[in-house]
Amino acid sequence: DIELTQTPLSSRVTLGQPASISCRSSQSLAHSDGNTYLSWLHQRPGQPPRLLVYKISNRFGVPDRFSGSGGGTDFTLNISRVEAEDVGVYYCMQSTHFPHTFGQGTKLEIK
Amino acid sequence: EVHLVESGGGLVKPGGSLRLSCAASGFRFRSYSMTWIRQAPGKGLEWISSIGSGSSYIYYAESVKDRFLISRDDAQNSLYLQMNSLRAEDTAVYYCAKSRPPDYWGQGTLVTVSS
Repeated sequence: DIELTQTPLSSRVTLGQPASISCRSSQSLAHSDGNTYLSWLHQRPGQPPRLLVYKISNRFGVPDRFSGSGGGTDFTLNISRVEAEDVGVYYCMQSTHFPHTFGQGTKLEIK
Repeated sequence: EVHLVESGGGLVKPGGSLRLSCAASGFRFRSYSMTWIRQAPGKGLEWISSIGSGSSYIYYAESVKDRFLISRDDAQNSLYLQMNSLRAEDTAVYYCAKSRPPDYWGQGTLVTVSS
């Protein structure tokens, strides 16, 4: 199974400051169809996860202060200016290979 | 608007069975793969099973293989998860999600396995 390792596991950020989360895969996430199915999700307490970014860098109905980048086995989610609503846990997920797998999650808090 | 509503969760004894349902609306259900994902209390997300459009493929996590069965009824716009031989470690909120990657999620249904 593909292992996804997120760093950091927790982060405290001042409102308006940037935040960055890394996700490293144990294998390449490049699919034979040419796509790389690495996604980022956000989960607020008591809520289901919500898709933020898919195929590395495509935003899914979220503001452009969220951006995804990377390739191969190293990926990053950047938030350019953290807002109060961004608190919660962020997960990377790969859906290139079955079984699909998630990172451990990164808890984002406001300082 | 896409809606996914899970049902069928509850308290069950170890070794028992439950059948979860997911009612879908707001999109052409038959055209999309669907997925079950669970989250144990206070823990991260765990992919459980996916079924392709037209049941073109079915995959399970090793942790549930041979115990859980995913199915879909395109006429009823519904996804199902038959869970047998339940264990304490299956206790979790179970989410159904649309597509690959999962772009829309239901609110989840809680399954508690306890004597």
